[in-house]
Amino acid sequence: EAGVAQSPRYKIIEKRQSVAFWCNPISGHATLYWYQQILGQGPKLLIQFQNNGVVDDSQLPKDRFSAERLKGVDSTLKIQPAKLEDSAVYLCASSSQAYEQYFGPGTRLTVT
Amino acid sequence: GDSVTQMEGPVTLSEEAFLTINCTYTATGYPSLFWYVQYPGEGLQLLLKATKADDKGSNKGFEATYRKETTSFHLEKGSVQVSDSAVYFCALSDSTGFQKLVFGTGTRLLVSP
Repeated sequence: EAGVAQSPRYKIIEKRQSVAFWCNPISGHATLYWYQQILGQGPKLLIQFQNNGVVDDSQLPKDRFSAERLKGVDSTLKIQPAKLEDSAVYLCASSSQAYEQYFGPGTRLTVT
Repeated sequence: GDSVTQMEGPVTLSEEAFLTINCTYTATGYPSLFWYVQYPGEGLQLLLKATKADDKGSNKGFEATYRKETTSFHLEKGSVQVSDSAVYFCALSDSTGFQKLVFGTGTRLLVSP
């Protein structure tokens, strides 16, 4: 079974630029999550989708971050404009049932 | 809100030593508890879980028991190997809604031969 795929793996941008990350969950998984992991901290949930609907985006900085999940499968997370404090690893996870989330390898973003 | 507190690292051990990584939590209701592991250069992997009080999760020689009275979920292994070197995250998922995970800050384990 293929795992959660993410791209790119690494991205370096300057502040005020925009960036987008892509996630392809495990086939058949209805729930998709985006987490932000700042160096030295645990992952923090940004947004959670159930199929193509948002069920929790309470910690998403909506003035600069946006996310969508087209047709309930792939998802993109966008930052526009980026700030220095957005430097982090962005993790995508998916699940088909309660309690078991499968994580992708993450995208490491550096904002200079 | 819900939160998880882990012991700070790094934890440095010699091979075959006993491992304990402490984890305590604050939550309303009855959360499920997890340990995730992140090996160098890899994504997070679920190591073990427990969904109710007194449950013991176990996998790959690691164990953790859900202690409601002390709100703890300490990770233990009787004899660590060099290959266990990784970052370990304790997490909880609330019992309502869509099981959002709340993570601790992680504990780095370094095992030397």
